[in-house]
Amino acid sequence: EAGVAQSPRYKIIEKRQSVAFWCNPISGHATLYWYQQILGQGPKLLIQFQNNGVVDDSQLPKDRFSAERLKGVDSTLKIQPAKLEDSAVYLCASSLGIAKNIQYFGAGTRLSVL
Amino acid sequence: DAKTTQPNSMESNEEEPVHLPCNHSTISGTDYIHWYRQLPSQGPEYVIHGLTSNVNNRMASLAIAEDRKSSTLILHRATLRDAAVYYCILSTLLQGGSEKLVFGKGTKLTVNP
Repeated sequence: EAGVAQSPRYKIIEKRQSVAFWCNPISGHATLYWYQQILGQGPKLLIQFQNNGVVDDSQLPKDRFSAERLKGVDSTLKIQPAKLEDSAVYLCASSLGIAKNIQYFGAGTRLSVL
Repeated sequence: DAKTTQPNSMESNEEEPVHLPCNHSTISGTDYIHWYRQLPSQGPEYVIHGLTSNVNNRMASLAIAEDRKSSTLILHRATLRDAAVYYCILSTLLQGGSEKLVFGKGTKLTVNP
């Protein structure tokens, strides 16, 4: 079974530029998550989708971050404009969508903002 | 969101058992206890979860205190591949029945050969 695919693996941009990350979840998984992990900390949930709809985006900085999940499958996370403090690993995860179900994580995209 | 407390780091020797503690004194009756681990340069990986009873799977065992205010992840025989950051997480139910995991800083486990 293929895992959660993320691209790119690494991205370096300058502050005030825009960047987008892509995630392809495990086939059949209804729930998709985007996390931000700053060095030395645990992952922080940014947004959670159930199929096409947003379940929780309380921690998403909506003035600069946006996310969409088209047709309930792939998802993109965008940052515009990027700040230095956005340097982090952005992790995508998916689960079947049933309560207490396992979340499967991708390898993440490491973003460096210079 | 409910919080957990874990030691920042622990060390173990290869092929010995490891007991990773977690305190969650503010746990509510519907919170599940989850453990994930994160190997270097990888995303987190599910280990085990439970509600009230002790749980076993091929990776580890989870011992939950009777009052549910603490739990212990047990790796029966540590290997070098078990070196990782281990996260103890209480899940929060969201509207519609899905769950939210709130990660802390976790425990960095070092396994010595």
